[in-house]
Amino acid sequence: NAGVTQTPKFRILKIGQSMTLQCTQDMNHNYMYWYRQDPGMGLKLIYYSVGAGITDKGEVPNGYNVSRSTTEDFPLRLELAAPSQTSVYFCASSRAGENEKLFFGSGTQLSVL
Amino acid sequence: AQSVTQLDSQVPVFEEAPVELRCNYSSSVSVYLFWYVQYPNQGLQLLLKYLSGSTLVKGINGFEAEFNKSQTSFHLRKPSVHISDTAEYFCAVREMDSSYKLIFGSGTRLLVRP
Repeated sequence: NAGVTQTPKFRILKIGQSMTLQCTQDMNHNYMYWYRQDPGMGLKLIYYSVGAGITDKGEVPNGYNVSRSTTEDFPLRLELAAPSQTSVYFCASSRAGENEKLFFGSGTQLSVL
Repeated sequence: AQSVTQLDSQVPVFEEAPVELRCNYSSSVSVYLFWYVQYPNQGLQLLLKYLSGSTLVKGINGFEAEFNKSQTSFHLRKPSVHISDTAEYFCAVREMDSSYKLIFGSGTRLLVRP
């Protein structure tokens, strides 16, 4: 059972480039989330989704977009990368009725230079 | 707005010694409380949670935490730590009327030395 899978694990972008961080889960969880983790700052919620076709903003959505066309996949899109988006990104999912128990992927370390 | 404060960014401790990692929260409504652990190069895992009932909750790997409503605290404790407990520990809160939004603290790195 793979759980939550994120790709890529590492990526370096130039300012202004775009990319998509992939996230897929095989646990049939309704809820999925994207967090970013900055050093000494804890995790901040970027976007979340309560089911296919439904997404909503979290605490720090600016500069990002998401889509949820299937239950399994929840990609995060950076359109115009900026140095402030250098961070570690975590995708997570949870089961309906157990939203406090998040299952996390292993993260994507992104550097924007 | 709710917030979570973990005052200790790093806690060094010798193996087999007891440890307490501090967490304080701020919220205008009732909350649920959680501790997550992050081992190196991995995502976070749920360690324990307080939803209701007994204020002393036990989690995995011998950890426990006590909810103190008057002090708005949820400190994590372990009576005897192991080298393998070296990790980053995050306290998190969720307001009872918010189904999805977990607010995390900045984390405490527990460093267990032999």
